[in-house]
Amino acid sequence: AQKITQTQPGMFVQEKEAVTLDCTYDTSDPSYGLFWYKQPSSGEMIFLIYQGSYDQQNATEGRYSLNFQKARKSANLVISASQLGDSAMYFCAMRETGANNLFFGTGTRLTVIP
Amino acid sequence: ETGVTQSPTHLIKTRGQQVTLRCSSQSGHNTVSWYQQALGQGPQFIFQYYREEENGRGNFPPRFSGLQFPNYSSELNVNALELDDSALYLCASSQDPTDTQYFGPGTRLTVL
Repeated sequence: AQKITQTQPGMFVQEKEAVTLDCTYDTSDPSYGLFWYKQPSSGEMIFLIYQGSYDQQNATEGRYSLNFQKARKSANLVISASQLGDSAMYFCAMRETGANNLFFGTGTRLTVIP
Repeated sequence: ETGVTQSPTHLIKTRGQQVTLRCSSQSGHNTVSWYQQALGQGPQFIFQYYREEENGRGNFPPRFSGLQFPNYSSELNVNALELDDSALYLCASSQDPTDTQYFGPGTRLTVL
């Protein structure tokens, strides 16, 4: 079974608008971490934001926030005030307790329109 | 603070050859993880090295092997290259095996 599902292959957003990228996950582990990475065309994966399964509040980092709904097993990334430089692939990933590796989704390609 | 670096940037090999990819971890990080990212896919975990020992492995055959050196830099070796090994190989370093992983720019390998 897929551990991470990203159902939006591509998304478009107008510059300065907000956009939500969807991510659902599947785990029976009560303790886990959720991550979002940005991958520009250059290839480097850039860490954006982290949410622990026991964190009481949704994580925020600048223009990035994570809409964490534990009961629904979703961890959507919200980007506010989109900029042209936000155009990239975005990957959701999960690490389970005791695991050293990240499980990645298939990604969402975001295009910011001027 | 220097980030994660990888070399070479691009590499072209033929089937059956062997290849070595290199990764220098971020300062203060003792753990290196390697991932393979095929075109249009998310990265897949190959293995992790912590304090010079393999510390977890994904579903990759033994012809994928690695090393970590005392300065925590790492190598990924792939023997008997196959066409399906063509991919972007990403290295990530972290402060410990379960901490946030920071990635390098990747090495794009093409097998002809």
